[in-house]
Amino acid sequence: RKEVEQDPGPFNVPEGATVAFNCTYSNSASQSFFWYRQDCRKEPKLLMSVYSSGNEDGRFTAQLNRASQYISLLIRDSKLSDSATYLCVVRFNFGNEKLTFGTGTRLTIIP
Amino acid sequence: DGGITQSPKYLFRKEGQNVTLSCEQNLNHDAMYWYRQDPGQGLRLIYYSQIVNDFQKGDIAEGYSVSREKKESFPLTVTSAQKNPTAFYLCASARTANYGYTFGSGTRLTVV
Repeated sequence: RKEVEQDPGPFNVPEGATVAFNCTYSNSASQSFFWYRQDCRKEPKLLMSVYSSGNEDGRFTAQLNRASQYISLLIRDSKLSDSATYLCVVRFNFGNEKLTFGTGTRLTIIP
Repeated sequence: DGGITQSPKYLFRKEGQNVTLSCEQNLNHDAMYWYRQDPGQGLRLIYYSQIVNDFQKGDIAEGYSVSREKKESFPLTVTSAQKNPTAFYLCASARTANYGYTFGSGTRLTVV
């Protein structure tokens, strides 16, 4: 089983729609969680951290379910500029300064 | 402005040559990382360093070497022992992994 697993997609979604991605992780002791966005042939950029209580940043909402070991990302009112690959990222343990990246979910917003 | 700079953006290497990829940060971050990304695949950790003069192997260290003589700099050498070096190389830094990484814009290495 992969340490961090995502549906690779692609997700092709009409502009204005709501889209959700899930990501599962294998280590129950995981401490920190993030969503990164990567545009084609560019570096990943931090989209948002994911907190236990869930958190929102504009049209983006992230949720964490520790019991089931998954995190989710919800994008509302999707824009053409949201087209990218979304990477789920997990830090497994205290004292471990490495982040583990999922392979990403590719999203294309269709006009 | 603070940031992390990778150079060159594109690099072409002949088979059997060693090449060195530069990574410099002025964010005052202690930790630095090198990842490799192949087309349609995820990021794989090559080496990382949490402090000057110390570094650890990641998941795919064979054929690569690094040094960390200064806090700001973490160069990666791709040696001739790396059998399939063509890839997108990403350098990152972090104050602590709790806050996520900041990535450089990457170096595309092609073996010709």
